[in-house]
Amino acid sequence: QQNVQQSPESLIVPEGARTSLNCTFSDSASQYFWWYRQHSGKAPKALMSIFSNGEKEEGRFTIHLNKASLHFSLHIRDSQPSDSALYLCAVSMPGYQNFYFGKGTSLTVIP
Amino acid sequence: DMKVTQMPRYLIKRMGENVLLECGQDMSHETMYWYRQDPGLGLQLIYISYDVDSNSEGDIPKGYRVSRKKREHFSLILDSAKTNQTSVYFCASSPGQGSAETLYFGSGTRLTVL
Repeated sequence: QQNVQQSPESLIVPEGARTSLNCTFSDSASQYFWWYRQHSGKAPKALMSIFSNGEKEEGRFTIHLNKASLHFSLHIRDSQPSDSALYLCAVSMPGYQNFYFGKGTSLTVIP
Repeated sequence: DMKVTQMPRYLIKRMGENVLLECGQDMSHETMYWYRQDPGLGLQLIYISYDVDSNSEGDIPKGYRVSRKKREHFSLILDSAKTNQTSVYFCASSPGQGSAETLYFGSGTRLTVL
């Protein structure tokens, strides 16, 4: 059974800060990795995904994946109050339909 | 407008009552999912539907059943609801059946079982 862990559980940062969120997974066969963002009372929405080792940047957001370390992360540059949300990481394996989610990191960006 | 719609948004039921949660999507997605989200537990998969009348159990199917008679509509049924089924239920869909798919979520149904 896949075990997906996120750290930290919660984070408070000032506006403009660089924020780093972490996700570890237990199954080395994992192949696909996502970050979802869920604003309070809203639906989770896919933010970024990565399917191979390395780094991917989209605007203020960067995702890093190191499969050997069973770890991927999300970095937010110039954090904004609108980034305040619950961030969920998700992992899946080829040929298996389930997506395993972490418990989430609650991010608060203070103006 | 691509959307996953869940009804109702809020629901209060008494223990032992039957519960029907409805989900629709307008994207002709093949695969649909039901998850529940509880504090400290994250999102847990209840059922997956690969297409009409093609459903599979997820990680926590006990106490639930599903129905998918049209591709765009997926229902979650709780027969004789229990208090431990109090949760926020999310429906999601994805375009295909692969494990590389992005999920599109509805806004959730907050169910309280008294």
